[in-house]
Amino acid sequence: EAEVAQSPRYKITEKSQAVAFWCDPISGHATLYWYRQILGQGPELLVQFQDESVVDDSQLPKDRFSAERLKGVDSTLKIQPAELGDSAMYLCASSGTSGEPRTDTQYFGPGTRLTVL
Amino acid sequence: GDSVTQMEGPVTLSEEAFLTINCTYTATGYPSLFWYVQYPGEGLQLLLKATKADDKGSNKGFEATYRKETTSFHLEKGSVQVSDSAVYFCALLNNAGNMLTFGGGTRLMVKP
Repeated sequence: EAEVAQSPRYKITEKSQAVAFWCDPISGHATLYWYRQILGQGPELLVQFQDESVVDDSQLPKDRFSAERLKGVDSTLKIQPAELGDSAMYLCASSGTSGEPRTDTQYFGPGTRLTVL
Repeated sequence: GDSVTQMEGPVTLSEEAFLTINCTYTATGYPSLFWYVQYPGEGLQLLLKATKADDKGSNKGFEATYRKETTSFHLEKGSVQVSDSAVYFCALLNNAGNMLTFGGGTRLMVKP
């Protein structure tokens, strides 16, 4: 069964350092999402791509966060500089295009657990 | 805006007990509804879904029915196992299919 791949699984960094996370969606999935999940809460959307284009980054803190999906396949999420409050699980998800968007299921990767010291 | 409300946990049950986790939602139009499960240290796995009113989603002994009249999508299982211990998230996908909104999650602990 195809899966969403993410790396690294765990990242520990000091505040003010730069970090980057990578995601490879399920093959053929045009839509890719990055979520942040604070411990004990549900995931919250940071950015959504359709192919290589950003369709929603309204919740992305653009002063320190950036995301790209240059060839419309894999994606990188970067934080620079990292702050203590960025400690969280960063989840990537992808979905296909069934022709009926309201039924498209998002499939999640294993996540990257970020700890900022 | 859209919202999802789940019962607060943790829910602690003995093995083979009946499980219900309540989920209600607020949304315009005709959302799709999902239950995801998250095991410790892992990402979210799709458990089941329903895309229209009165649909019943089911998987691995879990089931939930999309009730538009009560705006609910309660998760049930007849006999839980220790391996079901995890956090369960109810979520809705809006009518346009471009926003997935999650509830706060409910932790289930099953004791032998």
